[in-house]
Amino acid sequence: AQKITQTQPGMFVQEKEAVTLDCTYDTSDQSYGLFWYKQPSSGEMIFLIYQGSYDEQNATEGRYSLNFQKARKSANLVISASQLGDSAMYFCAMREGNYGQNFVFGPGTRLSVLP
Amino acid sequence: GAVVSQHPSWVICKSGTSVKIECRSLDFQATTMFWYRQFPKQSLMLMATSNEGSKATYEQGVEKDKFLINHASLTLSTLTVTSAHPEDSSFYICSARGQGYPYEQYFGPGTRLTVT
Repeated sequence: AQKITQTQPGMFVQEKEAVTLDCTYDTSDQSYGLFWYKQPSSGEMIFLIYQGSYDEQNATEGRYSLNFQKARKSANLVISASQLGDSAMYFCAMREGNYGQNFVFGPGTRLSVLP
Repeated sequence: GAVVSQHPSWVICKSGTSVKIECRSLDFQATTMFWYRQFPKQSLMLMATSNEGSKATYEQGVEKDKFLINHASLTLSTLTVTSAHPEDSSFYICSARGQGYPYEQYFGPGTRLTVT
């Protein structure tokens, strides 16, 4: 079974608008972490934001915020005030275990920001 | 901080030759590094986990004798694609696990391998 599901293969958003990228996960661990990475066309993986399973507050990093709904096992990424440079692939990932022994990626969502 | 370099960034080789890709953590020690393969428009596929001073752990379906991984020091892991064939052409990315919580992965810029 898929551990990380990203149901949106592609998304479009108008510049300056907000966009939500979906991520649901499956784990039986109590302790886990959720990450979002951005991969522009150049190929490098850029870490965006992290949410721990025990964190009560939703994580925020600048224009990025994570809508964490633990009971639903979802960790959606919200990008506010989209910019043209946000066009990229976005991957949701999960670390299982306390020390990162298992790290799985979702299939990704391609975001295109329209001028 | 937490910079990972990868070399070369791209390489073209002839079928049957071997290619070595280096992954270095520049400003931290990485006891654990990971090697991924990524096909166009797809997600990262974990190939193996490399622990310093011990044998790599390969994922199911990854040929150990074809993809040789060596993690001889706390800052360097290498992936050697032996007897490369066109089907080995891909984007290879390494990462190093952070030393402390949240144990995120720091990624290298990737290596694009083309086998002709």
